[in-house]
Amino acid sequence: DSGVTQTPKHLITATGQRVTLRCSPRSGDLSVYWYQQSLDQGLQFLIQYYNGEERAKGNILERFSAQQFPDLHSELNLSSLELGDSALYFCASRRGDYGYTFGSGTRLTVV
Amino acid sequence: QQQVKQSPQSLIVQKGGISIINCAYENTAFDYFPWYQQFPGKGPALLIAIRPDVSEKKEGRFTISFNKSAKQFSLHIMDSQPGDSATYFCAGSDSGSARQLTFGSGTQLTVLP
Repeated sequence: DSGVTQTPKHLITATGQRVTLRCSPRSGDLSVYWYQQSLDQGLQFLIQYYNGEERAKGNILERFSAQQFPDLHSELNLSSLELGDSALYFCASRRGDYGYTFGSGTRLTVV
Repeated sequence: QQQVKQSPQSLIVQKGGISIINCAYENTAFDYFPWYQQFPGKGPALLIAIRPDVSEKKEGRFTISFNKSAKQFSLHIMDSQPGDSATYFCAGSDSGSARQLTFGSGTQLTVLP
């Protein structure tokens, strides 16, 4: 167990639907990162939050949004889902400058 | 977006052999270069990392070689074992406040028994 918890582990949904992915960082870690891993794109940075505030944005679609709550857990919301959104979504938290830890991911399948 | 280019895409090595994976980066603001190991169904796990002020770092069978002037770094796995079969990602992290990781495209390593 890495200490970063992601739920659910698997999610199957239809096109056009909306889903929410949840991440609980390691205890005490203030930074949370979301990454998308697809077969043809590798690991792509989506967005980062630090202590509740958005810190950086990567290749995140407008249909996607995220937030970090006062208890530091984060949620990634994906709406108007398309077949191409099928991927593994990873959350990572960071301690200090270099201590990144990844969760086990959520596998999203859009049918 | 600043890229990290990784090669080869796949690698097959005999047990006991040396596995070598190469990466090249563009962003000179990167100040941390980790390698991650990922098994199917799992998240990436940190294997070894290096800062650009050293040219080599060794941890057990794993060594990173770093060439700052060429903007290249590589992972060497000595005495490769079947249990090393996994996907390996190199990455760079910049020195800005966000410090997000930019990943290479990954190398699928297969070590034959």
